[in-house]
Amino acid sequence: LAKTTQPISMDSYEGQEVNITCSHNNIATNDYITWYQQFPSQGPRFIIQGYKTKVTNEVASLFIPADRKSSTLSLPRVSLSDTAVYYCLVGPFTGGYQKVTFGTGTKLQVIP
Amino acid sequence: EPEVTQTPSHQVTQMGQEVILRCVPISNHLYFYWYRQILGQKVEFLVSFYNNEISEKSEIFDDQFSVERPDGSNFTLKIRSTKLEDSAMYFCASRVDSSGNTIYFGEGSWLTVV
Repeated sequence: LAKTTQPISMDSYEGQEVNITCSHNNIATNDYITWYQQFPSQGPRFIIQGYKTKVTNEVASLFIPADRKSSTLSLPRVSLSDTAVYYCLVGPFTGGYQKVTFGTGTKLQVIP
Repeated sequence: EPEVTQTPSHQVTQMGQEVILRCVPISNHLYFYWYRQILGQKVEFLVSFYNNEISEKSEIFDDQFSVERPDGSNFTLKIRSTKLEDSAMYFCASRVDSSGNTIYFGEGSWLTVV
């Protein structure tokens, strides 16, 4: 599994756009990049997944450069309820891949 | 939206007692998982289960742990003789099949061993 590196913590004011970057230098050809969100005392929740270029859904955008060695999760206009830990995961989600492995994640604190 | 449900949400047990944590995965899912998270630490993989057998397990998942899918809907994690260090939040998760790109987690069962 590709090792990921992301900032331990970030602070942001309400209403700002937040970008969290994850490095995954040894990403493999068949690896996907997935982001999960976890609130205190709750289970991780899937946010977004991509393979290359840009993916957008109702919650976030995911930017992946051509070399795929990093990715950036973008949260538009964050609110206090976006305070959570955000995990970047890299792995081949198809073909019988059995599990996801979590790193330490990025603790995002949204400030009023 | 379908969800993974877990019971109990919180259980306190004495050291040495057996504990069973229950999960109802999403109905058409075929892959099942247990993870745990000790307070303040990262989410750790315990075991994955497919086709009525364990497909992978971590070093944490020793002989004190077992999993079972007794009736086609429930998926249980049993800890035979709990230790203080088993205190953690235990998450059940499921995935539709090998092509599914998302693992869905339950809300967790908080186990406190005293």
